[in-house]
Amino acid sequence: EAQVTQNPRYLITVTGKKLTVTCSQNMNHEYMSWYRQDPGLGLRQIYYSMNVEVTDKGDVPEGYKVSRKEKRNFPLILESPSPNQTSLYFCASSGQATAYEQYFGPGTRLTVT
Amino acid sequence: GQNIDQPTEMTATEGAIVQINCTYQTSGFNGLFWYQQHAGEAPTFLSYNVLDGLEEKGRFSSFLSRSKGYSYLLLKELQMKDSASYLCAVRDSDSGYALNFGKGTSLLVTP
Repeated sequence: EAQVTQNPRYLITVTGKKLTVTCSQNMNHEYMSWYRQDPGLGLRQIYYSMNVEVTDKGDVPEGYKVSRKEKRNFPLILESPSPNQTSLYFCASSGQATAYEQYFGPGTRLTVT
Repeated sequence: GQNIDQPTEMTATEGAIVQINCTYQTSGFNGLFWYQQHAGEAPTFLSYNVLDGLEEKGRFSSFLSRSKGYSYLLLKELQMKDSASYLCAVRDSDSGYALNFGKGTSLLVTP
């Protein structure tokens, strides 16, 4: 089944404790991206990747890192999480940057205390 | 930069038709998308417009006017399960083909 998977789905952590949210797709997609969704603000892009080893900042990259060492994986790293990073995170992928559909993962609800 | 506006909330009756509008300003327009999102779930793709005109897909239709920076999503024969948030998103070739989302329109379908 074609899908985007994220792990973990739920995470409660403390300020400053490094964490990684994994994202994997099995559709051989070139383009992957991370979004965060907050009430009243909508979905905002954090980082995106056009292909392996090619990443760039989105609208809200501060406090986040990404890597794209393999085509299928695009982990999101929070080196020192803070409470303002409490949010719902979505990973998405598409065949190319100009494809007409992005497929979204199920989401990761992160709480930083 | 991006500026995407859509109404915050709408209410409609089961069986009726509802139109959700979206206006946008972008420097490198490369397509407009509509997504449906139920609370706590991932957005799911509804429609895509890159040329002016109407795209029809079952009960859902989407219209685009690039010169006016305007789109609408039309939902016909509303069902209770259509209660959800509807997200308008514009792809911008000037920012790495990023999808920029509006804040979403929360639609409530009542009996």
